[in-house]
Amino acid sequence: DMKVTQMPRYLIKRMGENVLLECGQDMSHETMYWYRQDPGLGLQLIYISYDVDSNSEGDIPKGYRVSRKKREHFSLILDSAKTNQTSVYFCASSLDWGAYEQYFGPGTRLTVL
Amino acid sequence: GEKVEQHESTLSVREGDSAVINCTYTDTASSYFPWYKQEAGKSLHFVIDIRSNVDRKQSQRLIVLLDKKAKRFSLHITATQPEDSAIYFCAASRSNNRIFFGDGTQLVVKP
Repeated sequence: DMKVTQMPRYLIKRMGENVLLECGQDMSHETMYWYRQDPGLGLQLIYISYDVDSNSEGDIPKGYRVSRKKREHFSLILDSAKTNQTSVYFCASSLDWGAYEQYFGPGTRLTVL
Repeated sequence: GEKVEQHESTLSVREGDSAVINCTYTDTASSYFPWYKQEAGKSLHFVIDIRSNVDRKQSQRLIVLLDKKAKRFSLHITATQPEDSAIYFCAASRSNNRIFFGDGTQLVVKP
């Protein structure tokens, strides 16, 4: 079953706390992505991972870092979260980068107080 | 880099009518144009795509048209149903580059 999972689905943190968002996929896809979605702003790409330990900044990487130690798992880390990082975060995966369908996870709604 | 614009931020149609969502792009080298649907409170999922070697593609009630000269593509939904109500995102990419998304069009199908 082709699936992208995200944990947790909902998270409330205080400003300055560290945040770990986790994403998994069972399709052996090489490429994985982290996006954030804010009302009226569509999807903003935070990071792309082309494979294990091969990550690249997207459009809004500041304040975020990522880790990919296994092909099926991609983490987004917020060190010292800020209130403007309150958003819905989506993970996605695709067979390869570029012209391939992306499969999206269910999203994580993060609130930073 | 590529910039994808969706011209309608919201679109309202009557059930049974057709809906058309228009997008433009800037990179003449873009060759892949997917569309994604996001229902209220849910994630995105792929609905249809078109590649630059064709100018029309149909999948059931969905038709995608591509005008490479004008750098414009569109999603046509025929015989709309309430379950078509959602945000639709267009996107574009080169064959060897990341995908760039538009900001989304909220489609409302009224009974």
